[in-house]
Amino acid sequence: EIVLTQSPGTLSLSPGERAALSCRASQSVSSTFLAWYQQKPGQAPRLLIYGASSRATAIPDRFSGSGSGTDFTLTISRLEPEDFAVYYCQLYSSSPPLYTFGQGTKLEIK
Amino acid sequence: QVQLQESGPGLVKPSGTLSLTCAVSGGSVTSSNWWSWVRQSPGKGLEWIGEIFHSGSTDYNPSLKSRVTISVDKSNNQFSLKVSSVTAADTAVYYCARQGYYNMDVWGQGTTVTVSS
Repeated sequence: EIVLTQSPGTLSLSPGERAALSCRASQSVSSTFLAWYQQKPGQAPRLLIYGASSRATAIPDRFSGSGSGTDFTLTISRLEPEDFAVYYCQLYSSSPPLYTFGQGTKLEIK
Repeated sequence: QVQLQESGPGLVKPSGTLSLTCAVSGGSVTSSNWWSWVRQSPGKGLEWIGEIFHSGSTDYNPSLKSRVTISVDKSNNQFSLKVSSVTAADTAVYYCARQGYYNMDVWGQGTTVTVSS
């Protein structure tokens, strides 16, 4: 099973700053199968990015995804107050079919 | 737009069976999408449980496969989850979700299930 490791565990930044969240896979994966989610307290996760770099419907363009192989990054260009949340990366593996999630990065207000 | 709503008992006794249903509205469970169950507990984070297609085809997380059954009810536009032989480790928030392109693009609000006597 491929393991996803997210870093840092917690990121403290101020509104207006740029955030870069890392997701590292234990072996090389196809970027097609890598997604990012945002989760706020008491809410379900929300899909932000799929295929490593494509924004989901209605996601603001300050959110962007990049990476390939084992290293992927979610970047938030200028933090808005509503962006402070927990972010998860997710991978699909095909043999056998399996979805796995990273442990999450908490983005908190500094 | 598609909306999902989980329902079921919030409390299950140890060794019993957890049963949840996900009602699909604004769309059809017979669409081209697969449908998933995901759970979230403080100890294990987000964990994919399994998926189903309207044909009845299923895939399960190997770590849970022996205890999990996912089924679809096309007449009522819903799908269901059963987890048998539950323990405290199965206490979690359970979400149903629609699968998009190797991701989950629509989620229910989640329902909390506690395993306790």
